[in-house]
Amino acid sequence: DTGVSQNPRHKITKRGQNVTFRCDPISEHNRLYWYRQTLGQGPEFLTYFQNEAQLEKSRLLSDRFSAERPKGSFSTLEIQRTEQGDSAMYLCASSLTGDEQFFGPGTRLTVL
Amino acid sequence: QKEVEQDPGPLSVPEGAIVSLNCTYSNSAFQYFMWYRQYSRKGPELLMYTYSSGNKEDGRFTAQVDKSSKYISLFIRDSQPSDSATYLCAMKLTGGGNKLTFGTGTQLKVEL
Repeated sequence: DTGVSQNPRHKITKRGQNVTFRCDPISEHNRLYWYRQTLGQGPEFLTYFQNEAQLEKSRLLSDRFSAERPKGSFSTLEIQRTEQGDSAMYLCASSLTGDEQFFGPGTRLTVL
Repeated sequence: QKEVEQDPGPLSVPEGAIVSLNCTYSNSAFQYFMWYRQYSRKGPELLMYTYSSGNKEDGRFTAQVDKSSKYISLFIRDSQPSDSATYLCAMKLTGGGNKLTFGTGTQLKVEL
C-alpha cells in the first residue's frame, strides 16, 4: 500500500508531556498538510509544506506546536506541554498538485 | 457563522434508497469542491473532486455544484449498508490557497 501513513495510530499521554507524530506522504507528493479533527467536527487546517518549506500556518497552531519536514519527505508534528484541549485526531494529507488531497489514517491523541 | 454549513444528521435511509447530502458556503472565492467519506476512527477518503458548476458522476456517486447559490450536493444511488459513514464536504480557494475548509460532516446510516 503506497498511501499516506501515520505513526503512532494512538497516543495516550499525561498533561504537560511532549508528543511527536510522524507522517509519511505518498511517494513523490511534494505537498504535505496537517489537520486536526475533534469529535463531531470536520478537520481543521493546521499547516502546509511544499517540499521542505513550511508555507502556511493556521492561527490554531500555537507556540506549543511545531512541524517540520526536513528533507521534503516525511514530516513530524510536535506538541509541547500537552493540554487536555489538545486531545483530537491529527490527520496528515499529501498532494501532488495541491488540488486533490489524500489523507492518512490519523493519530488519535488522548491527553489525561 | 461558519464558512461551510453542513447538517450533521444523523441521516437514516433504507438500503437501495437515493441519498442526498448537501453543503452551503458563504465565501464565493471557494472554487474547488470535494466530498470525503470517513468511517469511524479512520482518515477521510476522497470520493469526488470538482471545480466547475454542474454535475460530475462516478459510479453510484454524483457531485453537483451550484456556484450561483453557493450550494453543493452529493447523491448516492442504490445505497448500501457499506455506505454508512460520515460524509464531509470540503472546499478550497482559488488563487493558490492550499488549505481545505470542511463542513462538520453528515452521519449516514443505511439500514437493511
